[in-house]
Amino acid sequence: DAKTTQPNSMESNEEEPVHLPCNHSTISGTDYIHWYRQLPSQGPEYVIHGLTSNVNNRMASLAIAEDRKSSTLILHRATLRDAAVYYCIRPFGNEKLTFGTGTRLTIIP
Amino acid sequence: NAGVTQTPKFQVLKTGQSMTLQCAQDMNHEYMSWYRQDPGMGLRLIHYSVGAGITDQGEVPNGYNVSRSTTEDFPLRLLSAAPSQTSVYFCASSEGQGTDTQYFGPGTRLTVL
Repeated sequence: DAKTTQPNSMESNEEEPVHLPCNHSTISGTDYIHWYRQLPSQGPEYVIHGLTSNVNNRMASLAIAEDRKSSTLILHRATLRDAAVYYCIRPFGNEKLTFGTGTRLTIIP
Repeated sequence: NAGVTQTPKFQVLKTGQSMTLQCAQDMNHEYMSWYRQDPGMGLRLIHYSVGAGITDQGEVPNGYNVSRSTTEDFPLRLLSAAPSQTSVYFCASSEGQGTDTQYFGPGTRLTVL
């Protein structure tokens, strides 16, 4: 099973941190976890990816559990422009990324 | 770089008509793919290509054909449009494998009457 499990929706106040959870209990030891987001009326865009340890970039941080069965995308200071659907994705074979329905993040001004 | 471009942005077809959705990328990426996104749903993989001359099926390939004659272009053909193909179609590319960072186009919104 190449799917991940995410909450359907979350809300957060502007300028506060946001923690978006994802469960991927059947992930293999060599599969990276990828996060993409989709702003309204746009194509998805890459956010971050990681394998074992925590990862940081200019957009977000990714915390991966020690057993790799779950991960959390962290937006350190949410803005209104971060309102989007966030997808947690694991690969399905070498050539495929499978998108679920993601988490719709609403930012409250 | 223009990145990934898609044409047209909008299209209305009648049932049974055929058409080709165009996708091009100028990043010299080997991997290209087509997804469809139905309202309120995630993206489902239709077809993908790991390089010129090589294509393969994704999750929902029925009713669609693809070819990859050049690295840059990856057109998606609807052979006989059906209302069930009403969707937003996204093309994506990545440098090597499909698990590399993918760059998505802006999408084509297709309505089949």
